[in-house]
This record gives sequence, structure tokens and C-alpha cells, in this order.
Amino acid sequence: GQNIDQPTEMTATEGAIVQINCTYQTSGFNGLFWYQQHAGEAPTFLSYNVLDGLEEKGRFSSFLSRSKGYSYLLLKELQMKDSASYLCAAMDSNYQLIWGAGTKLIIKP
Amino acid sequence: GAVVSQHPSWVICKSGTSVKIECRSLDFQATTMFWYRQFPKQSLMLMATSNEGSKATYEQGVEKDKFLINHASLTLSTLTVTSAHPEDSSFYICSAQTGEFAEQFFGPGTRLTVL
Repeated sequence: GQNIDQPTEMTATEGAIVQINCTYQTSGFNGLFWYQQHAGEAPTFLSYNVLDGLEEKGRFSSFLSRSKGYSYLLLKELQMKDSASYLCAAMDSNYQLIWGAGTKLIIKP
Repeated sequence: GAVVSQHPSWVICKSGTSVKIECRSLDFQATTMFWYRQFPKQSLMLMATSNEGSKATYEQGVEKDKFLINHASLTLSTLTVTSAHPEDSSFYICSAQTGEFAEQFFGPGTRLTVL
């Protein structure tokens, strides 16, 4: 079956760095997406990885290892506004997104 | 960037009535649109995938006669919740995609409350 695993909740301190991990098992693979979702709002796109390696975009970076079925989202210089849920989604061979349950990130001052 | 709108943002209706939610891609043509439902503190649940001019593909467990989807053009898809009941109360989100490898752009969501 197809499955996405990510931690349910994480807590970090303002100004620090946090890494949110995601492992996936899909029928075929066409890339890994990370989305941010604030409470009561729709998700917004953060990153897309289809090749192995690290993609850096400002304070956010995303890493992919296809052989390990593993990705992580790295958030640096955490700000209070980064408190949100972070959704990992893998695209399968049918170009359908398989969604993780999301990781709720709590930032403390 | 690509913008997707949804209307209405929130709606309250009586049990037994039907509610229509519109999803529009404002500055691009969407080959595929998706409808999701999200209950509090849960992840997105894909309800159906629709391509312009063809019937929607529903996920297992989603009643196609209850959740009617019409994808009339490359910029508009509608979801009609027929004979709504309190258990249909949820956050409904649409997304649009320009191609198979393209990211999904999400609408702001519609919060439905059925009394």
C-alpha cells in the first residue's frame, strides 16, 4: 500500500533550527512536495524535490533521498509565524499526491 | 504566482439543503482540479479528481451522487453537496494543476456548517 509517515507534533524555540522528517512508500514516484498550512487556512506550497539532494530556498530547505524513501524539511531562524502544520506529499506513478497527516510545529519564544 | 479562488468562504445551511462551492483558477488554465475535505486536526482527504469536460474520478468511500462535481471549463470547477447533513460539516478545499508534474495551487477553502 501507499503510505506517508511524519511526526504528529514538534516543538522548537524561536530563532532555532528544526528538521521535520517524512518517509514515504508509493507506487512509483514523481516527486515529493512540502506544504505549509496555518490553522483554518488552505495549504501553501513550500518546495518540490524530484532529484536526490538538498534544495535551499531562503530559511527553508528540503532534502530528498529516493533510495531511502526519505525527505526532510529544514527550517532555520525560526519565527513565531512559522507555527503551522507542515504537510509532506509524495506523487505516485499516476501523478496523484499521497498526503501525510501533517506535522504540527509549535514555536515557543 | 498562480491564484485559485473559492466561493463562498464559509456557508451555514440547514440539514437537507444543497450547497454549491465554486473553484476558479484566476490566471492560468487548470487541466486538473482536485477537491479535498479536511476535518479538524486531520490531514487533507482527497474526494475527487476532475478534468475539464470529463466525469470526475471519485475516491473510494466518496458518494458521487451526494458530492456532484462539474468541471465545465479549464478555469472553473464546482462541488455541490446535495442534501447536506451535519456530518458533512467540514473544510472543503479545491486545488488546481496545470500539468502532470505541476504543483497543486490551493484555493482558500470553504468552511461548511450544516445545522
